[in-house]
Amino acid sequence: QKEVEQNSGPLSVPEGAIASLNCTYSDRGSQSFFWYRQYSGKSPELIMSIYSNGDKEDGRFTAQLNKASQYVSLLIRDSQPSDSATYLCAALLYGQNFVFGPGTRLSVLP
Amino acid sequence: KAGVTQTPRYLIKTRGQQVTLSCSPISGHRSVSWYQQTPGQGLQFLFEYFSETQRNKGNFPGRFSGRQFSNSRSEMNVSTLELGDSALYLCASSRGQNTGELFFGEGSRLTVL
Repeated sequence: QKEVEQNSGPLSVPEGAIASLNCTYSDRGSQSFFWYRQYSGKSPELIMSIYSNGDKEDGRFTAQLNKASQYVSLLIRDSQPSDSATYLCAALLYGQNFVFGPGTRLSVLP
Repeated sequence: KAGVTQTPRYLIKTRGQQVTLSCSPISGHRSVSWYQQTPGQGLQFLFEYFSETQRNKGNFPGRFSGRQFSNSRSEMNVSTLELGDSALYLCASSRGQNTGELFFGEGSRLTVL
């Protein structure tokens, strides 16, 4: 059973702080990892993808992947109230379907 | 560039009825996958279609079915609706079969009474 685990939260951080979102996955064969953001009542939207070990930065977002530890994280620097949403971690094993985690609800307090 | 379009956006059905949902992917995307999202279960994979063929299927009963047309548009059907089928059904498209990023539509919210 392929699983992706996330802390459901809510994770509350003050505006301007760094929000750290974590995800673990069970299938060592997973090759690609994605972070989606979902605002309440909206559909998920892709914010980051990461395929190899290490860090990947895009603006205020940094994704980190450690395949040995089966761990993926997303850091949001200078958090803004508009970042308040549910963040979904997803793992993809090539040729198979995406497996999504339950999501972490982030609340950025003004 | 138009996004993923799902219709209808909202619908109400009663137990025992059937429902058909439609999804038009982003132009040039050949893969369409369907997900069920509920507060308790999160995003659950239903199936994926690529070039009119079902490539992967999730752990859902046979009441859930789908198809893809030659223009990559996809439909999913749920027969003999149950109360537990109430959910947001999301369609996502991607360029290739289970590679790369998924782009989601706004979803079809189904309520079964």
